[in-house]
Amino acid sequence: KAGVTQTPRYLIKTRGQQVTLSCSPISGHRSVSWYQQTPGQGLQFLFEYFSETQRNKGNFPGRFSGRQFSNSRSEMNVSTLELGDSALYLCASSLSSAYYNEQFFGPGTRLTVL
Amino acid sequence: AQKVTQAQTEISVVEKEDVTLDCVYETRDTTYYLFWYKQPPSGELVFLIRRNSFDEQNEISGRYSWNFQKSTSSFNFTITASQVVDSAVYFCALSEARSRKLIFGQGTTLQVKP
Repeated sequence: KAGVTQTPRYLIKTRGQQVTLSCSPISGHRSVSWYQQTPGQGLQFLFEYFSETQRNKGNFPGRFSGRQFSNSRSEMNVSTLELGDSALYLCASSLSSAYYNEQFFGPGTRLTVL
Repeated sequence: AQKVTQAQTEISVVEKEDVTLDCVYETRDTTYYLFWYKQPPSGELVFLIRRNSFDEQNEISGRYSWNFQKSTSSFNFTITASQVVDSAVYFCALSEARSRKLIFGQGTTLQVKP
């Protein structure tokens, strides 16, 4: 069974630009969550999608948005990039939106904002 | 509010030593799950174990063991006879039934030297 895939793996952008990251969950998984990982803040929850609906959201500004497609693939978008958005963005998938499900993580997208 | 604290930022041991990684959590929910994840240098988080709030039985899996104590709100992880391949960042995480967000601790970097 193929794991969670994320594209691209590395991205370099400049301040003010926008970026779209993509995540393909494990086949059969319908929930996709996104996390931001930085050395200072650690791993922080961004949002979760299930059946194309955002089910949960972390404490991030509105510049961070996402969506999920009917095939469960998900994208997250960051508009008006800031230097502080430089991070590893991790996507995780699980069977459902239940709180007890283990999440399977992708390799991440390393975003650098110059 | 939910919170996970991993007080040990970095631990360094010599191969074959036993090592315990501490995890203390805070929650007002009575129904929750605790998780441990491993993040090797490649960056992809790997699920290790989950434990629900009603099951305080200790768990052993090979060289890994987990001790869950609700009385002290702790979910500690012990590696017996550590190996170089155990070198990684280890994260403890909490998921409440109410919030359904997976909240991570800051992580403990374990270095196992040959």
